[in-house]
Amino acid sequence: GAVVSQHPSWVICKSGTSVKIECRSLDFQATTMFWYRQFPKQSLMLMATSNEGSKATYEQGVEKDKFLINHASLTLSTLTVTSAHPEDSSFYICSADRASEDNQPQHFGDGTRLSIL
Amino acid sequence: RKEVEQDPGPFNVPEGATVAFNCTYSNSASQSFFWYRQDCRKEPKLLMSVYSSGNEDGRFTAQLNRASQYISLLIRDSKLSDSATYLCVVNKGGYNKLIFGAGTRLAVHP
Repeated sequence: GAVVSQHPSWVICKSGTSVKIECRSLDFQATTMFWYRQFPKQSLMLMATSNEGSKATYEQGVEKDKFLINHASLTLSTLTVTSAHPEDSSFYICSADRASEDNQPQHFGDGTRLSIL
Repeated sequence: RKEVEQDPGPFNVPEGATVAFNCTYSNSASQSFFWYRQDCRKEPKLLMSVYSSGNEDGRFTAQLNRASQYISLLIRDSKLSDSATYLCVVNKGGYNKLIFGAGTRLAVHP
């Protein structure tokens, strides 16, 4: 089955630090990857859509200068939380679309738990 | 109004019980529908896609009513391992963006 790997799985760092999270599709090519955020007891909220070779599309209310997304290849997208603050502490999850699939379930990474002190 | 609404629960049921979850969605242009399961502090995992004719996978049955914009999930013969949060997920119009409901918590007890 399709595997999406996310790294790191857990980050604890000081306020003001920038944190990079990687999302890789291990056995398929992903033209599109999605980044979600989930606060405790809330639903996953889509932050942005990452397209290989082009700029990411951000959802309303998500600061593109705060959450930098790079999708340099068909198997890797990165999310950088710049100058992270305690309110950025959350569970960040990526998902990927296979290049050949339309309207099919996305394949999720196992998430990154970010804690900013 | 939320794009995908679910009863948050929790549903506390004994082993062997049948339990049903409901979900409504607001975007009539949505074309893809899914139920995901999420365990505590883990990523969502696909439980099943939902098709217009309804579909079954073992103890799980999903139904879709496009006219009412309503989706359901029925779990028969509940197991302890079914305890999780069940997420109703709909794609956004013609795009493959997924909109998640807040989830319904299920707790199955002995």
